[in-house]
Amino acid sequence: ETGVTQSPTHLIKTRGQQVTLRCSSQSGHNTVSWYQQALGQGPQFIFQYYREEENGRGNFPPRFSGLQFPNYSSELNVNALELDDSALYLCASSLDLAGGGNEQFFGPGTRLTVL
Amino acid sequence: KNQVEQSPQSLIILEGKNCTLQCNYTVSPFSNLRWYKQDTGRGPVSLTIMTFSENTKSNGRYTATLDADTKQSSLHITASQLSDSASYICVVSAGYGGSQGNLIFGKGTKLSVKP
Repeated sequence: ETGVTQSPTHLIKTRGQQVTLRCSSQSGHNTVSWYQQALGQGPQFIFQYYREEENGRGNFPPRFSGLQFPNYSSELNVNALELDDSALYLCASSLDLAGGGNEQFFGPGTRLTVL
Repeated sequence: KNQVEQSPQSLIILEGKNCTLQCNYTVSPFSNLRWYKQDTGRGPVSLTIMTFSENTKSNGRYTATLDADTKQSSLHITASQLSDSASYICVVSAGYGGSQGNLIFGKGTKLSVKP
């Protein structure tokens, strides 16, 4: 166990709906990154939050948005869901950004199915 | 274009045997290389992380090597166990710190260990 928790574990939505996924980072970590992992693929970076500010974004449309709270927990919001949004959504926490070698600790993921 | 290629895509071995997974990357500038183990439907768990100056790093029965000149890494698993069945993902960090969006993920090698 990494100490990173995500909720819910599974979720089923229909096209056009909105969804909010939640992540609690490991104690002492101030950075949260979100990834989308399609079946059989490696994780794709969505965005990262550092001290409540977005700090980097991957190639995802604006309907993917996020928040980080003062306790460093985070939310991923996806509007106007599409079938291709079906994936495992991973949250990873780490401690600051210095040096590039800071290890990321992943949560168990939320499996989103869009029908 | 920054890329991480892993081979083989999948591998089946018998319990107790050794195996080696390969990772080739074209990422510049290089910061570090990580190997993760991901059980089906779960978040990745870090096995090793190596910087430019490190050639080898071990974590129990897992030994990772890095050749920064040829931009190749390998993950060797010794005396495999049924619990080693998982996807193994190679991740290369581009740049010198900063956004974790500089992490380039491979698609993973799916390892199945049979009794």
